[in-house]
Amino acid sequence: GDSVTQMEGPVTLSEEAFLTINCTYTATGYPSLFWYVQYPGEGLQLLLKATKADDKGSNKGFEATYRKETTSFHLEKGSVQVSDSAVYFCALLKTSYDKVIFGPGTSLSVIP
Amino acid sequence: DTEVTQTPKHLVMGMTNKKSLKCEQHMGHRAMYWYKQKAKKPPELMFVYSYEKLSINESVPSRFSPECPNSSLLNLHLHALQPEDSALYLCASSQDRGWGQGARYEQFFGPGTRLTVL
Repeated sequence: GDSVTQMEGPVTLSEEAFLTINCTYTATGYPSLFWYVQYPGEGLQLLLKATKADDKGSNKGFEATYRKETTSFHLEKGSVQVSDSAVYFCALLKTSYDKVIFGPGTSLSVIP
Repeated sequence: DTEVTQTPKHLVMGMTNKKSLKCEQHMGHRAMYWYKQKAKKPPELMFVYSYEKLSINESVPSRFSPECPNSSLLNLHLHALQPEDSALYLCASSQDRGWGQGARYEQFFGPGTRLTVL
């Protein structure tokens, strides 16, 4: 079946460090890929998305590129801030289904 | 308005109580969803409504009863819950569901209702 795998963490970084959170997926067809972020005590916010191969999603300094050849959608940010501390979920949506398939989530803590 | 709102923000209820969770969106979306999220886990789909009709029930116990009174509102009626039902309940909506590609299927989530069952 379709699935998403990501590093679970927790990941702890110092402020201004470079961030990479790896995400790989297994799916037939051509899924859309997403990164959602969940700040402590809140719901999910869509961080960025990509709907086809080689698309790059970007938002708030975060970027991810849809790599069909490696079935990956790694999240990167050049310089993290304390306010980026949150749980990050990689997800895919098969256009013929309604179910967003989430990865297990990666908890990120950024320390001053 | 690009927001999904949920009320209440927090809810504490006993196992014999009846309560309801409410979700509202004014983006003209025709698909709405209920998810359940336990601590440190990803959300799990419970129900999908499409054009105000229930289209998916992920084998959810009958003590959870969804209702979609109109295209903007989605309710989740709760009755005789168990302590293990304590979780964050998230509502989401999307423009459509169906058979093509494109970003219109992305789901927008509300802030959730944190439910505690005593």
